[in-house]
Amino acid sequence: NAGVTQTPKFRVLKTGQSMTLLCAQDMNHEYMYWYRQDPGMGLRLIHYSVGEGTTAKGEVPDGYNVSRLKKQNFLLGLESAAPSQTSVYFCASSYISGGGPQETQYFGPGTRLLVL
Amino acid sequence: GQNIDQPTEMTATEGAIVQINCTYQTSGFNGLFWYQQHAGEAPTFLSYNVLDGLEEKGRFSSFLSRSKGYSYLLLKELQMKDSASYLCAVLDSNYQLIWGAGTKLIIKP
Repeated sequence: NAGVTQTPKFRVLKTGQSMTLLCAQDMNHEYMYWYRQDPGMGLRLIHYSVGEGTTAKGEVPDGYNVSRLKKQNFLLGLESAAPSQTSVYFCASSYISGGGPQETQYFGPGTRLLVL
Repeated sequence: GQNIDQPTEMTATEGAIVQINCTYQTSGFNGLFWYQQHAGEAPTFLSYNVLDGLEEKGRFSSFLSRSKGYSYLLLKELQMKDSASYLCAVLDSNYQLIWGAGTKLIIKP
């Protein structure tokens, strides 16, 4: 039972390059999330998904796209990377929404992205 | 707007007790979470409060007062491995988690 995994762990991009971050979970969770974490700031939600085939924008969606073609996978894409997207990206998943401890989110180990 | 406030950094001594406060102003409330995050690692779940009062889990306890928009995390018998950041997060009326910036706890021998 691997929980939530993310690939790659670390990546360096040049401005304008594109890349895709992969998140996978084996807990049969319905909800999946992509966050970014920057020094001195709380986790900020980029996009999330409430189930296979559905996605929604979070707090800071600009410059990112996502897809959830399979329940266990959630992809985050950067079409044209910018230095402002240098950050640590975390994927998380949870059973359902609607309150209660089922809202507990389980996090992947993170992807450290540096955009030059 | 929605806001969660926590102290940026706290220092405590091994074996002592420390209380980390969190105040929040959010559009609605459906529960409050505390997570622990060691440097360079992912956040991990510590506790969940939705009703007023104290929830105890071993050395860690979490308190909630909904009328005051206030919570605290109490860590007893501090160990060096408790050196980490502690994140407070509130589930708002849309069931979105709003995160505080975290409190970095430094434990000294």
